Amino acid sequence: GQNIDQPTEMTATEGAIVQINCTYQTSGFNGLFWYQQHAGEAPTFLSYNVLDGLEEKGRFSSFLSRSKGYSYLLLKELQMKDSASYLCAVVRVTGGGNKLTFGTGTQLKVEL
Amino acid sequence: DTGVSQNPRHKITKRGQNVTFRCDPISEHNRLYWYRQTLGQGPEFLTYFQNEAQLEKSRLLSDRFSAERPKGSFSTLEIQRTEQGDSAMYLCASSFWTGEGEQYFGPGTRLTVT
Repeated sequence: GQNIDQPTEMTATEGAIVQINCTYQTSGFNGLFWYQQHAGEAPTFLSYNVLDGLEEKGRFSSFLSRSKGYSYLLLKELQMKDSASYLCAVVRVTGGGNKLTFGTGTQLKVEL
Repeated sequence: DTGVSQNPRHKITKRGQNVTFRCDPISEHNRLYWYRQTLGQGPEFLTYFQNEAQLEKSRLLSDRFSAERPKGSFSTLEIQRTEQGDSAMYLCASSFWTGEGEQYFGPGTRLTVT
């Protein structure tokens, strides 16, 4: 089976840094995605990690440790528009394709 | 706009009726996925296609659900004899079959069964 855990809610201050953690247990692991989803909208791609280490993209960075089954998304210089749900999704190779299994999402609220 | 599109965006139907949703993926993408998302949850995988072949179906996809991608381009998801528990956002995504396989999501169809 698969199990993906991430905090339900987080609150942070505009301009600050926030780290959203994700732990997972799965077979056939083939990478981990982070998506951002604003209320009522579709998820949008933020990052992808398949090897251990840190991937940086502007204000957003994502880290993966395969041996620990752990990832985090780091958001710097928070802006009000960063208030959204952040979804951790584990990739499994199955039936010749990449199947995503999502966590429940972390609702981030950015305050003044 | 060359992103993933879905129609309709909203659908309200009475219990017991049939509904059909359409997804038009990004044209170069071979793979097409359907997900269902309820409030406060992440998207749940339903099924996916590579070209016109349906390669995997989730156990969530009961006999009342059927999906097709007849020409390997657009896809339809039909729900027969809808139940109130089918109320959800139905998301479509597409991707290339090589590389990291990042999935691009459409805006979704919100289904309300009364």
